[in-house]
Amino acid sequence: AQSVTQPDIHITVSEGASLELRCNYSYGATPYLFWYVQSPGQGLQLLLKYFSGDTLVQGIKGFEAEFKRSQSSFNLRKPSVHWSDAAEYFCAVGRFPTNAGKSTFGDGTTLTVKP
Amino acid sequence: ETGVTQSPTHLIKTRGQQVTLRCSSQSGHNTVSWYQQALGQGPQFIFQYYREEENGRGNFPPRFSGLQFPNYSSELNVNALELDDSALYLCASSLWGGNTEAFFGQGTRLTVV
Repeated sequence: AQSVTQPDIHITVSEGASLELRCNYSYGATPYLFWYVQSPGQGLQLLLKYFSGDTLVQGIKGFEAEFKRSQSSFNLRKPSVHWSDAAEYFCAVGRFPTNAGKSTFGDGTTLTVKP
Repeated sequence: ETGVTQSPTHLIKTRGQQVTLRCSSQSGHNTVSWYQQALGQGPQFIFQYYREEENGRGNFPPRFSGLQFPNYSSELNVNALELDDSALYLCASSLWGGNTEAFFGQGTRLTVV
């Protein structure tokens, strides 16, 4: 069975500081890995995805993530956080390559940005 | 803008009632997945529809059922509503075998009282 763990329930960073959100996954085959962002009461917006190839992937809004197979991790990073980045962040794993729609999500990390 | 639309956006139902939620998939997508997101949790996979048939189900009882139509739109039906069914219901559309991500709608907020 596949699973995703986001160890940090809540993270607070100052505006302009760097950010790293952790994600660990368990999956028996080649994973699809995703990071989504969700603002209150809204749907999910895809930040970035990893299917194969280069293990450092770039996404929207200045985010990047690094896939480390040996550590079963896919951590999300941003060098300088903006106040508008405050939201809920979800890591997810899906089935490669046929079925991104059937994904397993972590419970999310809430990001608060201090002025 | 993802192109996945869900209706209604908000809904209040009484325990024991039945509800139907609707989803229009993004143009070119042929697969629809439904998720339940309870407050403070990540989305949980309910089931998926491909070629108008259910293609996998998560840990949800049979009173959660669905349909997919020839135009790839979909419905989620929940019978005998329980208080714990209160959640944000998300629809995601994708292309089967397309090596692409799924796109999510804005969700339907269901409150059961």
